[in-house]
Amino acid sequence: SQTIHQWPATLVQPVGSPLSLECTVEGTSNPNLYWYRQAAGRGLQLLFYSVGIGQISSEVPQNLSASRPQDRQFILSSKKLLLSDSGFYLCAWSDRTPGGANVLTFGAGSRLTVL
Amino acid sequence: RKEVEQDPGPFNVPEGATVAFNCTYSNSASQSFFWYRQDCRKEPKLLMSVYSSGNEDGRFTAQLNRASQYISLLIRDSKLSDSATYLCVVNRGRGSTLGRLYFGRGTQLTVWP
Repeated sequence: SQTIHQWPATLVQPVGSPLSLECTVEGTSNPNLYWYRQAAGRGLQLLFYSVGIGQISSEVPQNLSASRPQDRQFILSSKKLLLSDSGFYLCAWSDRTPGGANVLTFGAGSRLTVL
Repeated sequence: RKEVEQDPGPFNVPEGATVAFNCTYSNSASQSFFWYRQDCRKEPKLLMSVYSSGNEDGRFTAQLNRASQYISLLIRDSKLSDSATYLCVVNRGRGSTLGRLYFGRGTQLTVWP
């Protein structure tokens, strides 16, 4: 069966510090991968998606970047965090079939507080 | 206008009650519709897909009205464990091999004993 792992679960970072969140998927190959952010009191916002190694699409301009160095690994990064980067970050995957592509499975999330 | 709009609630109902949530979407090209459930401080999880003819999964019934761009979720015989936030989710367009979804902000439900 497929599993998705995301870490760290919680982090508190000062403004201006770097960020790296990592996500890996097991039990599937060539998945679509996504990074979402959920700010307090707001809905999920798609930040990045990837359809393959090295292929990253950004949904909104921001202070973050993403990379996919391996088929089942997705990394979210920032060189200098802003206060507004605080939130609940969720990695997700879906398969490539027309029916399955819209069914997302999320990781457990990483809760980031920027002070 | 937001792509997906939901009544944020909160809905506070006693055990055994029937409760209904509504959702409207703005993109008429959307083809896939879902309800996700999110427990406090946890990740969202798929509750059920919503089909054109309506569908039922145990105590949960989902309906879709394409003409009105309206989706509903009905929960019968509410349980304490149903307490969560329910997210209405709509895809962005015609079927493809990439899932690009709009998420509503969610409707919070609390079931009390």
